[in-house]
Amino acid sequence: EDQVTQSPEALRLQEGESSSLNCSYTVSGLRGLFWYRQDPGKGPEFLFTLYSAGEEKEKERLKATLTKKESFLHITAPKPEDSATYLCAVQLNSGGYQKVTFGIGTKLQVIP
Amino acid sequence: DAGVTQSPTHLIKTRGQQVTLRCSPKSGHDTVSWYQQALGQGPQFIFQYYEEEERQRGNFPDRFSGHQFPNYSSELNVNALLLGDSALYLCASSGWTLSLFIFGSGTRLTVV
Repeated sequence: EDQVTQSPEALRLQEGESSSLNCSYTVSGLRGLFWYRQDPGKGPEFLFTLYSAGEEKEKERLKATLTKKESFLHITAPKPEDSATYLCAVQLNSGGYQKVTFGIGTKLQVIP
Repeated sequence: DAGVTQSPTHLIKTRGQQVTLRCSPKSGHDTVSWYQQALGQGPQFIFQYYEEEERQRGNFPDRFSGHQFPNYSSELNVNALLLGDSALYLCASSGWTLSLFIFGSGTRLTVV
């Protein structure tokens, strides 16, 4: 069964304290990997798509990387406004179609 | 570009009732996927519509049904509502390759 596991489930950082979030996956037919940010009660906001091992993408204080079995979302010198839940999702080939399967998310809290 | 539009934003229904949620995809997108997100969980795939047909379905009962219209907009219908159906319902639009998977703000359904 296709699985997406995110760790840690929750992370509390001091402002300026860099860290990484992990997304590991056990899937067949991986087409791509997405990262999203979600604020409470809102829809997920698209951050990045990664397609191949070794690929990296950056946006402000965030950098996403991809290996054959996992992805990392690195947060450099976070600010309180970075507090949110970060979701990882994998894009799969499934029965001739494609679908997107999500992990449970990492809830990040950045303390001033 | 309005992006993905969902309506209504909030809804309260009584157990046993029926509900219809609506989604207008981003301009240029022809595929709509619906997700259910319970509090503290990742989004769970309900089904996906392309060319007005249900192409894939997640592990949800037949009480959950949908429709896609010629203009690519979509509806999610839930019959015989249960308390456990209370959740944030998310619509994501994309092209058929799912390379850009964009969410709406969601509909918060509360079943009492």
